[in-house]
Amino acid sequence: AQSVTQLGSHVSVSEGALVLLRCNYSSSVPPYLFWYVQYPNQGLQLLLKYTSAATLVKGINGFEAEFKKSETSFHLTKPSAHMSDAAEYFCAVGSTGTASKLTFGTGTRLQVTL
Amino acid sequence: GAGVSQSPRYKVTKRGQDVALRCDPISGHVSLYWYRQALGQGPEFLTYFNYEAQQDKSGLPNDRFSAERPEGSISTLTIQRTEQRDSAMYRCASSSLFEGFGETQYFGPGTRLLVL
Repeated sequence: AQSVTQLGSHVSVSEGALVLLRCNYSSSVPPYLFWYVQYPNQGLQLLLKYTSAATLVKGINGFEAEFKKSETSFHLTKPSAHMSDAAEYFCAVGSTGTASKLTFGTGTRLQVTL
Repeated sequence: GAGVSQSPRYKVTKRGQDVALRCDPISGHVSLYWYRQALGQGPEFLTYFNYEAQQDKSGLPNDRFSAERPEGSISTLTIQRTEQRDSAMYRCASSSLFEGFGETQYFGPGTRLLVL
């Protein structure tokens, strides 16, 4: 069985500050890991994903995440927050093989203040 | 189409009624997934298809829930005899097998279901 834990249901940062959203996973096999973002009244949009290539993954909008097997973590970071980053962020783990279902965390709502 | 579309976007129904939720995947995508997302939670897997074949329905909560994809394209999720606990956002996603391992799932905007 696979699972994802996102620490902190709400995170607030100032504009220009570092964004750090935490994700820890549990998987009995090498995982595929994803970060999705959800803006109000919109669908989930892929930010980035890890599929066992480079451990540091760069995504859209300046976000990146690092896969750390020893810590079973896949934290999402962005050096400088922008007001437009305010949204809900979901970490997800996929099972091996193609056409695999995703197991999502409970999400972290990011608030960006002036 | 340009993206995954779902209809209706909002559905209000009375307890005991049946509802049908539709998903139109990205053209050419072989795999189609259904998820349910309760308020304040992440999406939870319900079922998925490769072409018209239902590969995994382990996430369907009970036999009131069913899904089909008869021609390998559009899919319908049907909930019979709805109950208030069925109220949630129902999300559909599609992916291309040709992307390989860890393929990206592209999500639609969802259908917000409210059972009164």
